[in-house]
Amino acid sequence: DAGVIQSPRHEVTEMGQEVTLRCKPISGHDYLFWYRQTMMRGLELLIYFNNNVPIDDSGMPEDRFSAKMPNASFSTLKIQPSEPRDSAVYFCASRPSGAGRGHEQYFGPGTRLTVT
Amino acid sequence: AQSVTQPDIHITVSEGASLELRCNYSYGATPYLFWYVQSPGQGLQLLLKYFSGDTLVQGIKGFEAEFKRSQSSFNLRKPSVHWSDAAEYFCALNTDKLIFGTGTRLQVFP
Repeated sequence: DAGVIQSPRHEVTEMGQEVTLRCKPISGHDYLFWYRQTMMRGLELLIYFNNNVPIDDSGMPEDRFSAKMPNASFSTLKIQPSEPRDSAVYFCASRPSGAGRGHEQYFGPGTRLTVT
Repeated sequence: AQSVTQPDIHITVSEGASLELRCNYSYGATPYLFWYVQSPGQGLQLLLKYFSGDTLVQGIKGFEAEFKRSQSSFNLRKPSVHWSDAAEYFCALNTDKLIFGTGTRLQVFP
């Protein structure tokens, strides 16, 4: 199993540009999570999906952020327009629905975003 | 309120010394608790988890953790630290979603 796949691994963009981060969850996992990690705020949950449906997006910082999951094997997190304060590492994670809350999430390697 | 507290931001130990990383949680029901490790530039890897049964759980890389309901704690331990254990460690509580502590950065001196 390849694990959770994220692309790109690094992204450098200029303020005002659109940024799209991509995630492929582990096959068979019903839940997908997007996190942001910064020095100031630590790990923050942005949004999560169950069976491709967004369940909780209360962590999405503002309307500039949007996430989609068009099918079970692909999700995107889009920032438009990007701002320097969006610079962070963005992680995607997935987990199966079996065992409920007792089952761990599997994390991807992250995308390091730098907005200049 | 649901929360996780890791009181120690940064810990330094000598290689071969024992280690204990503290974690306290606040949750009204049965907690599902996890410890993750993050090496520099990497994602998070699960060390161990607890959700029922024996309150002393064993994990990978020689780590263990003890769940103490009376103290609302889930401290991570290792009897002898290796230089490769230098990383950031996160305690997490699973409700419908993972609530992470702020992390403890472990530095290991030779």
